[in-house]
Amino acid sequence: EVQLVQSGAEVKKPGESLKISCKGSGYSFTSYWIGWVRQMPGKGLEWMGIIYPGDSDTRYSPSFQGQVTISADKSISTAYLQWSSLKASDTAMYYCARRDPLGVQDYWGQGTLVTVSS
Amino acid sequence: EIVLTQSPGTLSLSPGERATLSCRASQSVSSSYLAWYQQKPGQAPRLLIYGASSRATGIPDRFSGSGSGTDFTLTISRLEPEDFAVYYCQQYGSSLSFTFGPGTKVDIK
Repeated sequence: EVQLVQSGAEVKKPGESLKISCKGSGYSFTSYWIGWVRQMPGKGLEWMGIIYPGDSDTRYSPSFQGQVTISADKSISTAYLQWSSLKASDTAMYYCARRDPLGVQDYWGQGTLVTVSS
Repeated sequence: EIVLTQSPGTLSLSPGERATLSCRASQSVSSSYLAWYQQKPGQAPRLLIYGASSRATGIPDRFSGSGSGTDFTLTISRLEPEDFAVYYCQQYGSSLSFTFGPGTKVDIK
């Protein structure tokens, strides 16, 4: 069974750093792109970027380029989304999702809620 | 960049009724690259339709997708209580970029 399991909720202060994770199982982790999607409170879905764990090829949405870093450790089948200096506006639910060979996001993680507040 | 617009913003219907949701693109989208997702409160999105008209695994046949070019439609033939949710269209391409529409909320009348 394909599963993407994300790390737990985080509460951080502005200016702090953070790295959240997404662990894949039930499939060949290195053979599928993994993307990240932001959902701000009460709002819609925004695509942030995507990584191919096999060779760490990474692409970012122009809206998120330079704001976050996407990485992966294929030895433990885990993808990451990280911030070096959080802002209150980073408060959101973040989802990881697998991109299937047809290009669609077929499996999603359960989401990680990030709250940034002083 | 392709911009997706969904209408209506909210659709108020009763169980058993037919729901018709629209997704319009700012430029032509290959029908191979248009998907629909369902999201319920507190849950991750779930893939319903890909390639404009193909149902994902396990999706009931009351859900159907159609359209081409810049106009796409998701139809729910008879609403079940569990279908009241927010629905997003998405264009995805070989360039590895993705764009979501703003969503349509289907709520109980």
